[in-house]
Amino acid sequence: QVQLQESGPGLVKPSETLSVTCTVSGDSFSDSNYYWAWIRQPPEKGLEWIGSLHHRGDTFYKPSLKSRVTLSADMSKNQFSLKLMSVTAADTAVYYCSRELGGSSRRDWGQGTLVVVSS
Amino acid sequence: QSALTQPRSVSGSPGQSVTISCTGTSSDVGRHKYVSWYQQHPGKAPQLMIYDVTERPSGVPDRFSGSKSGNTASLTISGLQAEDEADYYCCSLGDMFYVFGSGTKVTVL
Repeated sequence: QVQLQESGPGLVKPSETLSVTCTVSGDSFSDSNYYWAWIRQPPEKGLEWIGSLHHRGDTFYKPSLKSRVTLSADMSKNQFSLKLMSVTAADTAVYYCSRELGGSSRRDWGQGTLVVVSS
Repeated sequence: QSALTQPRSVSGSPGQSVTISCTGTSSDVGRHKYVSWYQQHPGKAPQLMIYDVTERPSGVPDRFSGSKSGNTASLTISGLQAEDEADYYCCSLGDMFYVFGSGTKVTVL
């Protein structure tokens, strides 16, 4: 059974870059059946899909976030990462990493990590 | 990129059935089978309840069922139980990206 564990800085200053990493266990990031995604949830609000990537290098982004988001992976560590530039308080959220099964809407979730944007 | 539309809240007594609607467009919900539903208890990560419109993962009680008609998907909870009280979100693939619903709070009276 796959396990996804997010890690992040906890606190980021406005205008800086938010970076969070997901460590995958119980599966390989190189598994061609899956896409690896990021989803966030501001406090007391709903879920927002940010983007996903495949080990082949294919990436997909929510259009409104695309200009600020970079998704990458370190296959040697079985990790993938999210960088979000020029953050504001509106980017304060729990950030979840997720595994999406290709050809399906089936999805596994990590436990999430809270990132607060504040000076 | 607007969120899919869900009712803010639904409620029912134990044993009753409740249905949550999720309305999108012909570009997302109405376009294909990639519709899923998630249950989220406070402070917890979402849990997959239904995927591909009607499929239920192993371990999810069969009182949870999904359906779709046109641009609207639905989640029905039959035989409501106290532990079903939670937030529920739908999710659909759109044009190369996923969109979530606005969320529905289910209250067990």
